[in-house]
Amino acid sequence: NAGVTQTPKFRVLKTGQSMTLLCAQDMNHEYMYWYRQDPGMGLRLIHYSVGEGTTAKGEVPDGYNVSRLKKQNFLLGLESAAPSQTSVYFCASSSYLGSVIAKNIQYFGAGTRLSVL
Amino acid sequence: EDQVTQSPEALRLQEGESSSLNCSYTVSGLRGLFWYRQDPGKGPEFLFTLYSAGEEKEKERLKATLTKKESFLHITAPKPEDSATYLCAVQKTEYGNKLVFGAGTILRVKS
Repeated sequence: NAGVTQTPKFRVLKTGQSMTLLCAQDMNHEYMYWYRQDPGMGLRLIHYSVGEGTTAKGEVPDGYNVSRLKKQNFLLGLESAAPSQTSVYFCASSSYLGSVIAKNIQYFGAGTRLSVL
Repeated sequence: EDQVTQSPEALRLQEGESSSLNCSYTVSGLRGLFWYRQDPGKGPEFLFTLYSAGEEKEKERLKATLTKKESFLHITAPKPEDSATYLCAVQKTEYGNKLVFGAGTILRVKS
């Protein structure tokens, strides 16, 4: 049981290049999330999904796109990378059982460290 | 605007020196408050969920408490292996069960 797996772990891009980050979870969770983490700013939500085929914008969605074609996968795309997108990206997933708060725990992957030159 | 503020930004303790980390929040419709631990180069790891004022949770040397405006993470007799960044997050009662995170407290425990 791997939990949440992110690929790649590291990537260096040139300004204007595109790339896709892959997140896979094997816990059959309905909800999935993409965050970025920058020094002194904590984790900020980019996009999220409440189920297969659905996506929604988070706090900082500009410059990113996402897709959730399969329940277990959540893809984060950068169409034209900018130096401001240099960050560590984390994917998370959680189940949802209505008002049972304990089951709304988000489980995180190990992160992707992205540098845009 | 929803805000989560953690203090101090960094904390250095000697092994065995107890202390507390603070998480203050302003959010409407609080569903729950979460504490996570993050080691360097890794993703956050869940520690506790609190969802009502007065609630307390304990795990080994850690104890989390919650009031209507803030939460404390008390660390009793810490060990070097407790060194990590501790993140606080609030979950609102809204679509998507989104979390709003604080910037974290970096804890270093020296032997």
